[in-house]
Amino acid sequence: AQSVTQLGSHVSVSEGALVLLRCNYSSSVPPYLFWYVQYPNQGLQLLLKYTSAATLVKGINGFEAEFKKSETSFHLTKPSAHMSDAAEYFCAVSENTGFQKLVFGTGTRLLVSP
Amino acid sequence: DTGVSQDPRHKITKRGQNVTFRCDPISEHNRLYWYRQTLGQGPEFLTYFQNEAQLEKSRLLSDRFSAERPKGSFSTLEIQRTEQGDSAMYLCASSSPRASGNYEQYFGPGTRLTVT
Repeated sequence: AQSVTQLGSHVSVSEGALVLLRCNYSSSVPPYLFWYVQYPNQGLQLLLKYTSAATLVKGINGFEAEFKKSETSFHLTKPSAHMSDAAEYFCAVSENTGFQKLVFGTGTRLLVSP
Repeated sequence: DTGVSQDPRHKITKRGQNVTFRCDPISEHNRLYWYRQTLGQGPEFLTYFQNEAQLEKSRLLSDRFSAERPKGSFSTLEIQRTEQGDSAMYLCASSSPRASGNYEQYFGPGTRLTVT
């Protein structure tokens, strides 16, 4: 069985500050890992994904994440927060075989203050 | 691609009524997924179709829930005899295999169900 733990239900940063959202996963098989962003009353938009290629993954809107197998982590970072980054962020894991259903964490709400 | 669309976006119903939601995936995407998201939680997998075949159902999907994907195109999710606990956002996603074998899922805007 797979699972994801997102540390911190809320993270607050100032505009221009570093964003760090934490994600740890558990998987008995090599995983695929994803970060999605959700704005209020909207669906999920894929930010970036790890699919066993490069361990440092760059995504949209300046976000990136690093896959660390030894730490079973896939933390999301952005060097400089923008007001428009305020949203809910979900980390998800899937198997790299089969129908690849996504197993999501409980989400982290990012708050950005001026 | 016009993206995944879902209809309706919002549905308010009284307990005991039946509701049906529709999902139109990205054209030619052969895989379609339904997820449910309750307040303050991440989405949870409900069911999966490959073309018209429903290949996996979560234990979350009680007998009151049924999903179809006739002809492998759009899909419907029906909830019979709705209960207040069914209140949630119902999300649809679709995917198609890439050369790497990775099936990247694209999500629709969701249908928010409120059962009163």
